[in-house]
Amino acid sequence: TQLLEQSPQFLSIQEGENLTVYCNSSSVFSSLQWYRQEPGEGPVLLVTVVTGGEVKKLKRLTFQFGDARKDSSLHITAAQPGDTGLYLCAGAKIPSGNTPLVFGKGTRLSVIA
Amino acid sequence: EPEVTQTPSHQVTQMGQEVILRCVPISNHLYFYWYRQILGQKVEFLVSFYNNEISEKSEIFDDQFSVERPDGSNFTLKIRSTKLEDSAMYFCASSARTGQETQYFGPGTRLLVL
Repeated sequence: TQLLEQSPQFLSIQEGENLTVYCNSSSVFSSLQWYRQEPGEGPVLLVTVVTGGEVKKLKRLTFQFGDARKDSSLHITAAQPGDTGLYLCAGAKIPSGNTPLVFGKGTRLSVIA
Repeated sequence: EPEVTQTPSHQVTQMGQEVILRCVPISNHLYFYWYRQILGQKVEFLVSFYNNEISEKSEIFDDQFSVERPDGSNFTLKIRSTKLEDSAMYFCASSARTGQETQYFGPGTRLLVL
């Protein structure tokens, strides 16, 4: 069974601070997707990383896929209260259009003004 | 921007009743999925669907579950005889062509079985 472990589970920081959350596995994934989920809503895609070592930036968010494609990180610079939410990573096992995603439990981020 | 839509947003039903959850995937997408999320737990894969047939299903997707694409736009999940433990958020997702693994999720249907 492929598992994705996310850490930390909870994170509470002050506005303006930087933070990094992690998504780790012992298994290799074809790609990893990061989503953000608000309470009672569906996951909203932030980014997909495909190539080992790949780095993608989305404004103040920087996503990195590990060289071995077993782990990923999300770094937020100068966090704002609007960044508050549940951040989920999800891995695709094989490079196919209909591969199931394996989800982590998420990191719940709270940014305090 | 195209998005996945789901109806209803909330459904309350009695144990043993049948429910049908509906989804309209993004229009040019070819692959469709159902996932569920029990309150406080992680998102779990149920089933994937391509070319009018099931591609893969998880252990959760037993004989009480079925999926259908009745026309060119809708994708449905039917639970024949609901159980208390079926209470969860159900998410539909879709993705584009082969090799495009990015899945786009709908807002979900919250199912409560009493």
